[in-house]
Amino acid sequence: GQQVMQIPQYQHVQEGEDFTTYCNSSTTLSNIQWYKQRPGGHPVFLIQLVKSGEVKKQKRLTFQFGEAKKNSSLHITATQTTDVGTYFCAGLKGGSQGNLIFGKGTKLSVKP
Amino acid sequence: DSGVTQTPKHLITATGQRVTLRCSPRSGDLSVYWYQQSLDQGLQFLIQYYNGEERAKGNILERFSAQQFPDLHSELNLSSLELGDSALYFCASSSGPDRGHGYTFGSGTRLTVV
Repeated sequence: GQQVMQIPQYQHVQEGEDFTTYCNSSTTLSNIQWYKQRPGGHPVFLIQLVKSGEVKKQKRLTFQFGEAKKNSSLHITATQTTDVGTYFCAGLKGGSQGNLIFGKGTKLSVKP
Repeated sequence: DSGVTQTPKHLITATGQRVTLRCSPRSGDLSVYWYQQSLDQGLQFLIQYYNGEERAKGNILERFSAQQFPDLHSELNLSSLELGDSALYFCASSSGPDRGHGYTFGSGTRLTVV
């Protein structure tokens, strides 16, 4: 079945350093979404990417969707302690009824 | 408050028992999804309902079942519980992830089987 792989599983950074998490799908996706889950919280939708090669920015966060629509990345510039949490990518396969397949997430810790 | 309500927030029960988790989706959302999250694990898709009908099944055990009612709330029934069923169970709703709207997750139900 379809899989969405995400690396790294954990990332520890010093505050102010950059952070990147990568997501790869075994099949072409119609779109990819990113979520953030704070410790003890629930996943919160961040953004959706639909077009091949699409790049979107939200303040210090930059999201990219690969040309083949099989991979994506989330880059955070100059991390802050408020960025702590687990970042999940989730892929929607073309023709799906709306069932997202989530990656296992990257847990980010930020040392002040 | 995300708009998706899950009850109860915490549940402790013994092995072999049966429990029911409840979810009320965000107003206007017709799709409801159930996910299981174990410690340090990702979100495992269990089942999806759309306007009362089952739409997709994931890694849902035969001991688990769900339904969506006419008022669109959903219930996840877990029976013959085992220690390994201890996890966070999330419900999410959406108006359609293929139209640019992400899932809205509830706060989850933390199930502990002892």
